This record gives sequence, structure tokens and C-alpha cells, in this order.
Amino acid sequence: SQKIEQNSEALNIQEGKTATLTCNYTNYSPAYLQWYRQDPGRGPVFLLLIRENEKEKRKERLKVTFDTTLKQSLFHITASQPADSATYLCALDPVLNSGYSTLTFGKGTMLLVSP
Amino acid sequence: DVKVTQSSRYLVKRTGEKVFLECVQDMDHENMFWYRQDPGLGLRLIYFSYDVKMKEKGDIPEGYSVSREKKERFSLILESASTNQTSMYLCASSWEGEHGELFFGEGSRLTVL
Repeated sequence: SQKIEQNSEALNIQEGKTATLTCNYTNYSPAYLQWYRQDPGRGPVFLLLIRENEKEKRKERLKVTFDTTLKQSLFHITASQPADSATYLCALDPVLNSGYSTLTFGKGTMLLVSP
Repeated sequence: DVKVTQSSRYLVKRTGEKVFLECVQDMDHENMFWYRQDPGLGLRLIYFSYDVKMKEKGDIPEGYSVSREKKERFSLILESASTNQTSMYLCASSWEGEHGELFFGEGSRLTVL
């Protein structure tokens, strides 16, 4: 069966360090992968999209890698700040039986950045 | 800025009631989606729509229906609410095409007693 796995344990790091979050998937061949941030009680907010033919994507302090051989994406936040504390979700695009493509989300990893 | 507005942030309903959750987007997006989010289960797709009057089932459509009479509005309907439908409901929209980012609303937290 298809699975998207993100570490269910919260990641605790100190301010200024690099946070690295992992997204592993099985039985998918996604054309792209997206990362979202979600604060408690709020809707997710889009951060980055990376396509299958891209190895790496950067946006300010964020970096995403996509290894289709390992079936893994890594999400990095450099120089992390307490304001980066949130849950981070990865999402893939499986094609449903209907032929439409929609996003399927991982369960997310909570990041806690302490001062 | 794109805005996706969900009509109610918090609702409390009784078992058997009919519940309407409304979602409106202001960016002329073709695609609209309804997800529910539960602890330990993550976000799960209920229904989606790629055009007016068009709807497709997601992963967990049972017990739900949807309506899209206008492009900007996508409604989720619980015909007869049950306690296992207590959840956070999230509406999202995106531009035409398969690879667009989703813009989410703030969510509607429904409690069914």
C-alpha cells in the first residue's frame, strides 16, 4: 500500500541550528513533492514545491532535496528561530482511480526551536 | 493575497443534524478541496472539485456530500452528523493544473455530540 512517513516524534533543536525533517514514501512515483507549515489551530501554509527532476530547491533559509531513488525528501531550515516552531507537512500527488491527481499529506513532524 | 474563507471556525451539533460547512475563495481558482484532519491520522481528502457542478470522491467520502454551484463556493454537507465526524475540516483551493500549491482556509472545528 502507499505510505508517506514523517517522523512522528517532535524535533527539538536550539536556536541558530539547522533543523532537518524527513519525508519518506513507498509505492508512489510522484511527479513533485510539496512542503507545508501548519501552526496550531490554523490551516497549512505552502512553503516549497520540488519536481522529480530537481535535486534541490532553496527559498531564503529553507532548502528541500528530493531523491527519487531513495524515495525521500529532506527539508532543512538553517539558522532556525523560535518562530519556526510549527508542524511541517510533506505532500505528494498520487493519481486517484478517477484519473485525477490530488495531494496526499504525511502526518507531519512538529519542530520546536528553543531560544 | 489569496483568501479562502470558511464560514464557521467552531460548530457544535447534535447527532443526526444536517450540517453545512461553507467555503469561499476570492482568487478565481478552478480547484477546490475538502479535507479533514484528526490527531494521528493527518489530513485526509473527502471530496474535491475541478469545475463548477463537478465533484469527485476523495479517500473518505462516506457520510459526506458536496455542492459547487458557483466557482468561488464549495460546500461540504453532512446529511446526518455522527460523533465520528467530530474533526477539524479544512477547505483548500488551487489554480487549474495538477501541480499548484494549495491555499487553505483557517479550518472549521466541528464537534458532534
